[in-house]
Amino acid sequence: DAEITQSPRHKITETGRQVTLACHQTWNHNNMFWYRQDLGHGLRLIHYSYGVQDTNKGEVSDGYSVSRSNTEDLPLTLESAASSQTSVYFCASSSGREITDTQYFGPGTRLTVL
Amino acid sequence: GQNIDQPTEMTATEGAIVQINCTYQTSGFNGLFWYQQHAGEAPTFLSYNVLDGLEEKGRFSSFLSRSKGYSYLLLKELQMKDSASYLCAVRAHQTGANNLFFGTGTRLTVIP
Repeated sequence: DAEITQSPRHKITETGRQVTLACHQTWNHNNMFWYRQDLGHGLRLIHYSYGVQDTNKGEVSDGYSVSRSNTEDLPLTLESAASSQTSVYFCASSSGREITDTQYFGPGTRLTVL
Repeated sequence: GQNIDQPTEMTATEGAIVQINCTYQTSGFNGLFWYQQHAGEAPTFLSYNVLDGLEEKGRFSSFLSRSKGYSYLLLKELQMKDSASYLCAVRAHQTGANNLFFGTGTRLTVIP
């Protein structure tokens, strides 16, 4: 069955370290998204991609970067982790070929920055 | 920017009906989604409205009024497993992109 996976599911790191969160989907979806979810803020868009080699900044992109070298993967990198980046991170994908174009979410990664 | 409002918490009784409201202000409106999210899990898609009116899907229905910037999610015959957060999300076409903007979610507790 097609799916979207994230790894690791839990990560503890220290301030200043570089961290990469993986997202992999097997739906052959064109569009991929990274969100963070914090109490009182709901889901906020960090970066998104509409296809290979395409990346765009979202609402809260400072301190994060992404790259899209193939259809299946959109890794999220925190260049120098900060305590304010402690959050739950969700990856999502959508086909980009349907009117509804529903986004489907991965299981999430809980990141703690000490 | 986007402004999406929904109640923070609601409580309802098993077997009853509950309505979760969502109001929004946005430019480039291109659809409204409802997601369900159980604690510690990923959001899962429930419904999509782009035209005014009611969309029914089993025990769940969603309504949209674009002129009022208003939607609601109606859950009938509540079950204990319906205890979850319900996220209202507006899709808006802005600066060449067609992305989702989420409300903070409504945490629903179903009691026996």
